[in-house]
Amino acid sequence: GAVVSQHPSWVICKSGTSVKIECRSLDFQATTMFWYRQFPKQSLMLMATSNEGSKATYEQGVEKDKFLINHASLTLSTLTVTSAHPEDSSFYICSAKLGTGDYNEQFFGPGTRLTVL
Amino acid sequence: GQNIDQPTEMTATEGAIVQINCTYQTSGFNGLFWYQQHAGEAPTFLSYNVLDGLEEKGRFSSFLSRSKGYSYLLLKELQMKDSASYLCAVTDSNYQLIWGAGTKLIIKP
Repeated sequence: GAVVSQHPSWVICKSGTSVKIECRSLDFQATTMFWYRQFPKQSLMLMATSNEGSKATYEQGVEKDKFLINHASLTLSTLTVTSAHPEDSSFYICSAKLGTGDYNEQFFGPGTRLTVL
Repeated sequence: GQNIDQPTEMTATEGAIVQINCTYQTSGFNGLFWYQQHAGEAPTFLSYNVLDGLEEKGRFSSFLSRSKGYSYLLLKELQMKDSASYLCAVTDSNYQLIWGAGTKLIIKP
């Protein structure tokens, strides 16, 4: 099946620093990738939709200058949390859409747990 | 607005059967997904329904009624490892996924 990886799996950083999270589709090409954030005991919250070769589409309330998304190739999307603060501590999960058709099953990466001190 | 409703939490006994319901009101419908998510892990795909009826896959079955805006996930022969959150998600007319808040299923011995 389709496999999506994320790196790192967890990261601890100081407040004010920037953190980059990578999302890779290992055995398929993904034109579209999604970035989610999940706080404890809450459901997934879509942050942005990342399309290869174009700018990401951010959901309402998500600061595009704070959460920088780059989707430079069909197998890699990156999320950079700039000037991270403790309230950015969360579980960040990416997913990749298989194919370009309308059936949009998403394959999820294992997630990255970010803790900002 | 778009809305997906699921029970927040359910409890069942090992070996029993449990049904998790999901109702939705969305702008258009292009399919419904069920995902399983264990604590601290990413969701994993369970099922996809786009036509009315029951889809069976091993111990798990998923049912859809588009006219009622209703789906359920049926888990049989419950095992302790089935303790997880179960997420219902609907694809709307723009092919955007709308997520439910998830149902936490607790399995007791």
